[in-house]
Amino acid sequence: DTGVSQDPRHKITKRGQNVTFRCDPISEHNRLYWYRQTLGQGPEFLTYFQNEAQLEKSRLLSDRFSAERPKGSFSTLEIQRTEQGDSAMYLCASSLFGTVSYEQYFGPGTRLTVT
Amino acid sequence: DAKTTQPPSMDCAEGRAANLPCNHSTISGNEYVYWYRQIHSQGPQYIIHGLKNNETNEMASLIITEDRKSSTLILPHATLRDTAVYYCIVRVGGGSQGNLIFGKGTKLSVKP
Repeated sequence: DTGVSQDPRHKITKRGQNVTFRCDPISEHNRLYWYRQTLGQGPEFLTYFQNEAQLEKSRLLSDRFSAERPKGSFSTLEIQRTEQGDSAMYLCASSLFGTVSYEQYFGPGTRLTVT
Repeated sequence: DAKTTQPPSMDCAEGRAANLPCNHSTISGNEYVYWYRQIHSQGPQYIIHGLKNNETNEMASLIITEDRKSSTLILPHATLRDTAVYYCIVRVGGGSQGNLIFGKGTKLSVKP
């Protein structure tokens, strides 16, 4: 257990429905990241926050995706009008910006299946 | 695109050293080499990182060549629980670049 939690761990939804995932980072960490991982591939970066500010978004983050970190603590990732291609593992990670080593601590992920 | 090249898979006998290679021939002077691993159905886990010098911690050793174009992660006494996908990543240290860029990694299978 890295201290990063994600909820739910599994989500099955029908195409066209909206889904929302939550990530709770390590409490003192000021950076929070979202990644997506499909079968057989490494994680792909989606977006990251420093405190409540969203600093970078990948081209993978279409306009159906939105992420928030309203108080600089937990974060949510919402997918609207889900498509079958959204089926993947969604990973959250956190880190403490300003340290030399800067490793990221990952949560267990939320596995999304769109039917 | 990932800046590293790794073999897709490797086997290792339990109790023996696992040596996982990584090529990063275009690494810049301010880029560190990081290693993460991902055990099945879990999130990636940080293992070790280095800039120029060899590094060792309780999990592994990292050997970086003098020209920094390649490195080797060494698990000195592999156990069955070390079976995982191992990712070699190069990135600027100190937090100036946010995200990690993962390739496909090396799937290490430790066999009894």
